[in-house]
Formats: sequence, structure tokens, C-alpha cells
Amino acid sequence: EPEVTQTPSHQVTQMGQEVILRCVPISNHLYFYWYRQILGQKVEFLVSFYNNEISEKSEIFDDQFSVERPDGSNFTLKIRSTKLEDSAMYFCASSGNQDYGYTFGSGTRLTVV
Amino acid sequence: RKEVEQDPGPFNVPEGATVAFNCTYSNSASQSFFWYRQDCRKEPKLLMSVYSSGNEDGRFTAQLNRASQYISLLIRDSKLSDSATYLCVVNAGSARQLTFGSGTQLTVLP
Repeated sequence: EPEVTQTPSHQVTQMGQEVILRCVPISNHLYFYWYRQILGQKVEFLVSFYNNEISEKSEIFDDQFSVERPDGSNFTLKIRSTKLEDSAMYFCASSGNQDYGYTFGSGTRLTVV
Repeated sequence: RKEVEQDPGPFNVPEGATVAFNCTYSNSASQSFFWYRQDCRKEPKLLMSVYSSGNEDGRFTAQLNRASQYISLLIRDSKLSDSATYLCVVNAGSARQLTFGSGTQLTVLP
């Protein structure tokens, strides 16, 4: 079964540092997403990406965040200057058809110290 | 009012029991509806989409009531492996953003 791959599985970083979270979506999918889940809280939408540009973003996705699809397979989320409150599980997802749900990656646990 | 509201539980049921989860959503323009399951510290996994006519997949039955903005999930003959958090998920009326409920925790006891 095709899967979405995320690396690293766990990243610890110091406050103020930049981090890049990486994702390889399912190869024939066209829509890509980042979600996050703070421990004990619900899954929250960050951004969606289609046709090499952001299609939607939430108010969480401020100027500290950016996304990129640098080649035909990778999809990255960059946080420029991490804050303690950025500590969360970050899930990448992809979909080929809106009506049938997404496939999520196994997540990157980001810990900001 | 929360966009997607679920009873957080926890629901503790014996093996073989039937358990039902409910969910309400606030955005009447929502188009697509799903139930996901999430195991502890894992990613959400699609359990089933929910259609207006209701749909069944083995022991799982999902129902949608658009008039009441209400979604349900019924699990029959519960197994130990059904223990997880069940997430009610709707699209936010826009094309690509999903809105998650906080989840209902289920523990199936031997």
C-alpha cells in the first residue's frame, strides 16, 4: 500500500533555530498538506499546497513557516525561528481526490527546548 | 461553538459490545465527512468516509444527517484491536482543509 514518508521521526532543536521537516507524498497525488498536533490536543490544519503553490493556510501558518516542493518528490515545511510552543507532532498528508480522505505520514515529533 | 464536536469519552467496553460515537459539526457548507482512528502517538488513519445514505464496512457503520449536522459511527462486536481514539473529520466548506474533532477515546476490555 502506498505511503507518505516523513523524516526525521523526532527532532529536538533549540529555541530560535530553524528546522526543516521533510515529507515524500504518494507519487501520483496532487495535493499536499501539513497538519500539527500539540500533545493532548486535536489535529490542526496548517497549509495545503497544489500546483506548486500554497492554496490555503491557517492563521497558525504565519511568516515563520514556509513550504516548498524542491523537486518532484519531496515536500518540506520550514520553521524559521522555532518557539517553545511549536513543539508538536507535525503530520504531512497527501491526497489525489478530495472526497476520499487523505493519507497521513507517521509524523515528525518536534521538541523545542 | 466548536466546529466539530465529539464526546471525548473515554468509552470502556467489553469485547463483543456494540458502541456508538456521535459528532456534530457547525459549518453547514461542509461537503465531505470521515471517521479516522488514531492510535497513541501515531498518525490518523482513514477508517471510512461517511455518505448521506449511510455506509457500512464490516463491523463499522457510519451515518450522516445533514439536516441535524450530525455524524455517527457504530462499532459492532468490538475487538481489543479497536482500542484507539476515533476522530470525526469534516471538510471546512473549502476545497482542501479538513477540520478535526478532538476525538473519542475507546478502550475495549478483555
